[in-house]
Amino acid sequence: QKEVEQNSGPLSVPEGAIASLNCTYSDRVSQSFFWYRQYSGKSPELIMSIYSNGDKEDGRFTAQLNKASQYVSLLIRDSQPSDSATYLCAVKSGSARQLTFGSGTQLTVLP
Amino acid sequence: DVKVTQSSRYLVKRTGEKVFLECVQDMDHENMFWYRQDPGLGLRLIYFSYDVKMKEKGDIPEGYSVSREKKERFSLILESASTNQTSMYLCASSFSGSGQPQHFGDGTRLSIL
Repeated sequence: QKEVEQNSGPLSVPEGAIASLNCTYSDRVSQSFFWYRQYSGKSPELIMSIYSNGDKEDGRFTAQLNKASQYVSLLIRDSQPSDSATYLCAVKSGSARQLTFGSGTQLTVLP
Repeated sequence: DVKVTQSSRYLVKRTGEKVFLECVQDMDHENMFWYRQDPGLGLRLIYFSYDVKMKEKGDIPEGYSVSREKKERFSLILESASTNQTSMYLCASSFSGSGQPQHFGDGTRLSIL
């Protein structure tokens, strides 16, 4: 059973701080990693993808991947109240057509 | 921009009814997916399709069927709706090949009374 684990939270950070969201996965042949943001009552929205070890930056978001440790994280710099949402980690293995999703981490950014 | 359109945002049906949820994508994606999402249970895959007329069961296919007669359209069918199928239903689509993310529709909140 391929598993993707996330801390469910809730995670609270003050406005302007760095929010750090973590995800571990069990399948060593996983190749593609995605972060989705889901606001309450809305559908998931893709915000980051990462495929190689290291960091990938996009604006205030940085995704970090460490395949040896089977670990992927999302950092949100200068957190804003509008970043308050549930963040879903998703992993795709080799030839699989589907993604395996974590259960999500609920983030609250306090004004 | 990818557009995945679900036919209804909110739907109320009665127990025992046959319910159709429709999803259309405009990006010529090969893969289409149906999920349900419930509080505390996360996203659960019901069925997916990787080509016209092709389908595979996901994690929770019981009580559901699907149809994909055209590449752009993927339908979820509740053969005889039950109250435990009250949920948020999400459709997604993607290209085939490694590294391809899924793109979601807005979701259908289905209530079975």
